[in-house]
Amino acid sequence: NAGVMQNPRHLVRRRGQEARLRCSPMKGHSHVYWYRQLPEEGLKFMVYLQKENIIDESGMPKERFSAEFPKEGPSILRIQQVVRGDSAAYFCASSPEGRSGNTIYFGEGSWLTVV
Amino acid sequence: GQQLNQSPQSMFIQEGEDVSMNCTSSSIFNTWLWYKQDPGEGPVLLIALYKAGELTSNGRLTAQFGITRKDSFLNISASIPSDVGIYFCAGQGGSEKLVFGKGTKLTVNP
Repeated sequence: NAGVMQNPRHLVRRRGQEARLRCSPMKGHSHVYWYRQLPEEGLKFMVYLQKENIIDESGMPKERFSAEFPKEGPSILRIQQVVRGDSAAYFCASSPEGRSGNTIYFGEGSWLTVV
Repeated sequence: GQQLNQSPQSMFIQEGEDVSMNCTSSSIFNTWLWYKQDPGEGPVLLIALYKAGELTSNGRLTAQFGITRKDSFLNISASIPSDVGIYFCAGQGGSEKLVFGKGTKLTVNP
């Protein structure tokens, strides 16, 4: 999973601020996924993107959360007006195509703490 | 939505013992994956299974894709201290997203 780069690794935000999490997929990968992990829980799917397109956002909260994967640059997960319940680890994963589980690689995560 | 039941939640074993954990689902999956996560790190893929009945090994790890496509198990033989961590099963159905179990926390006493 070393190839998927996430930053920042740790982020502290006050309630009401915005959090931006960045993900650079592995070289040659055009598919990006974001997952959220609460303490003592498994990862929960949030959104699946290809370059410039959101393919599946069924796991994204309807408000305050957005994601993009522009033609150039990293994928961004944006959380506006953060609340304490947004505190979690956010993992990005990438794959060269969406059909094979063995080619989905995870980054090391971004830990968001809302104070 | 799809849910995975992973058990046991935690295990405390002695070094050298064998370990078994499993996942069951209320719905069918096309792919089963097993990951290990260390504290402060992302999940690392251990084994991927693509066909019902498939039995796959990776060193001391063995995993099987259940015949009904609704379950999978992971065995670790002759455990060592570095096996400590949280093990997650994940299933992939007709879409690209993975559904994860809640994890099995493994503690190995030397």
